[in-house]
Amino acid sequence: EAQVTQNPRYLITVTGKKLTVTCSQNMNHEYMSWYRQDPGLGLRQIYYSMNVEVTDKGDVPEGYKVSRKEKRNFPLILESPSPNQTSLYFCASRRQGGNQPQHFGDGTRLSIL
Amino acid sequence: GESVGLHLPTLSVQEGDNSIINCAYSNSASDYFIWYKQESGKGPQFIIDIRSNMDKRQGQRVTVLLNKTVKHLSLQIAATQPGDSAVYFCAEKHTGNQFYFGTGTSLTVIP
Repeated sequence: EAQVTQNPRYLITVTGKKLTVTCSQNMNHEYMSWYRQDPGLGLRQIYYSMNVEVTDKGDVPEGYKVSRKEKRNFPLILESPSPNQTSLYFCASRRQGGNQPQHFGDGTRLSIL
Repeated sequence: GESVGLHLPTLSVQEGDNSIINCAYSNSASDYFIWYKQESGKGPQFIIDIRSNMDKRQGQRVTVLLNKTVKHLSLQIAATQPGDSAVYFCAEKHTGNQFYFGTGTSLTVIP
């Protein structure tokens, strides 16, 4: 089954404790991206990657890091999480080239205390 | 940032009626538009898309209309069913690789 898988689905942690949210897709997509979803603001793009070893900032990259060492994986790293990063996070992937829709994971709910 | 999706926040329809969900976008350079459905506890699910060189596209029970003159996008759902209850987002892509999403419209289907 074609899918985007995120882990963990839920995480409660404390300020300053480094965390990583993993994202994996099995569709051989070149493009992957991370979004956060907050009430009243919709989905905002954090980072995206058009292929292995290529990453670019989205609209809200501050406080986040990403890496793209393999085509299927695109982890989101919060080196020193803060309460304003409490949010619902989505990873997405799509085929690069032309106009293609993104396929989303089921989300990771992060709470930073 | 971009302004996408001047949505009504909620919409209620009777089961069997048609639903129309609207979205406005501000960037005339956008060349691709997508509608997503998001159910509680799940990620956005692709419904239908349309390219900027088209005015209308139909899928199974859904139709997307694009009016580039007034920068307006709509999603029509025919014979709305309880399973259609969800939040619906429009998204636009500029000539590049970034996508911008609206805040969504919550559709409630009344049995």
